[in-house]
Amino acid sequence: AQSVSQHNHHVILSEAASLELGCNYSYGGTVNLFWYVQYPGQHLQLLLKYFSGDPLVKGIKGFEAEFIKSKFSFNLRKPSVQWSDTAEYFCAVKSYNTDKLIFGTGTRLQVFP
Amino acid sequence: EAGVVQSPRYKIIEKKQPVAFWCNPISGHNTLYWYRQNLGQGPELLIRYENEEAVDDSQLPKDRFSAERLKGVDSTLKIQPAELGDSAVYLCASSLDLGGLAGTEQFFGPGTRLTVL
Repeated sequence: AQSVSQHNHHVILSEAASLELGCNYSYGGTVNLFWYVQYPGQHLQLLLKYFSGDPLVKGIKGFEAEFIKSKFSFNLRKPSVQWSDTAEYFCAVKSYNTDKLIFGTGTRLQVFP
Repeated sequence: EAGVVQSPRYKIIEKKQPVAFWCNPISGHNTLYWYRQNLGQGPELLIRYENEEAVDDSQLPKDRFSAERLKGVDSTLKIQPAELGDSAVYLCASSLDLGGLAGTEQFFGPGTRLTVL
């Protein structure tokens, strides 16, 4: 069965530190890839997405992610985090075969000033 | 542009009671999704509608859960009777699915947090 793994369950950083959150998926076919963010008390929002083309995608608020097909990975990065980035981050994958969006378990990011 | 609207935001019921959740998707979105998110987990799809047709309900526990989207716009999800294990956040999402190989983005509502006592 298709699955999504997020290796970091809880990440604690100081402001200005660099961030990388891991995401790996199990499906080998054509996929769409997403990172969603949920700020405290708010609903899930799309951070960035990959459908096709350049494997390095840029999203809102300075986030970017790189799709590495050979590694089945779609890691999220930000060179310098801010306190306002404190949130839960979800990686999600949708395969063309099942047309179903599968989420990872999420990574809780805490950024301290 | 208004987002996905869900009500109620919170619901506390005793086990064996019925409960219903309502969702109004973004205007013009043809596809509607219901997800359940357990504590510490990512959302899991319960049912997906394309217009008024349920095209994927394989994860919906049909003995107690039901859903409808009668006019292809808003939708209700019902649990009857509720069990302790149904405590979770129920999320509604919508998208404009044009078919083919084009990717689609799902927009999520704020969710309904259900507590079953």
